[in-house]
Amino acid sequence: DTEVTQTPKHLVMGMTNKKSLKCEQHMGHRAMYWYKQKAKKPPELMFVYSYEKLSINESVPSRFSPECPNSSLLNLHLHALQPEDSALYLCASSQVIPSGETQYFGPGTRLLVL
Amino acid sequence: SQQGEEDPQALSIQEGENATMNCSYKTSINNLQWYRQNSGRGLVHLILIRSNEREKHSGRLRVTLDTSKKSSSLLITASRAADTASYFCATVHRDNYGQNFVFGPGTRLSVLP
Repeated sequence: DTEVTQTPKHLVMGMTNKKSLKCEQHMGHRAMYWYKQKAKKPPELMFVYSYEKLSINESVPSRFSPECPNSSLLNLHLHALQPEDSALYLCASSQVIPSGETQYFGPGTRLLVL
Repeated sequence: SQQGEEDPQALSIQEGENATMNCSYKTSINNLQWYRQNSGRGLVHLILIRSNEREKHSGRLRVTLDTSKKSSSLLITASRAADTASYFCATVHRDNYGQNFVFGPGTRLSVLP
């Protein structure tokens, strides 16, 4: 199984809502990532989890809260978002080895904040 | 901060022609990877080239890496309409927190039938 799944595919939320994005992989990867991608722009790294511990937080606002309940799951909790947070949110996973290897991406969740 | 910079930003070619995209980066890397993204979808890994390699092939793809110039190129030969997508280079380097992926701005390729 070389698939990363993300749910939901689409999400519309108001600025006062609380919602969560979910990501799952069963490839035995111990590194998982959240990226944010605006239209016609490259993915921007938000968070990195390595062995279920947060290792990188790229100065992301606290209204985004990541969680890694186990080695296969990664969540992104959303609260009090702003319209400018509307974007495609991509999850990825990879092996954790010294030389760095391929990242496998999910299809993304397209988020619209009204 | 973005490390990779691709050019051109957009490229339009006829089916059967070759497409070349370039990527430049600023700091030392462990490896460089190329990814493809179809409109609004996730990224798909195409090819990885390590810092001690100069050229690599995979099917219709050919990647070169020049670490002295801090640049890489992706060549797609005999292009097909299905190759229409955005192509991103990603540089991989390690810091105290682990491996760090930085994507370039991407090249939007249109292959016309």
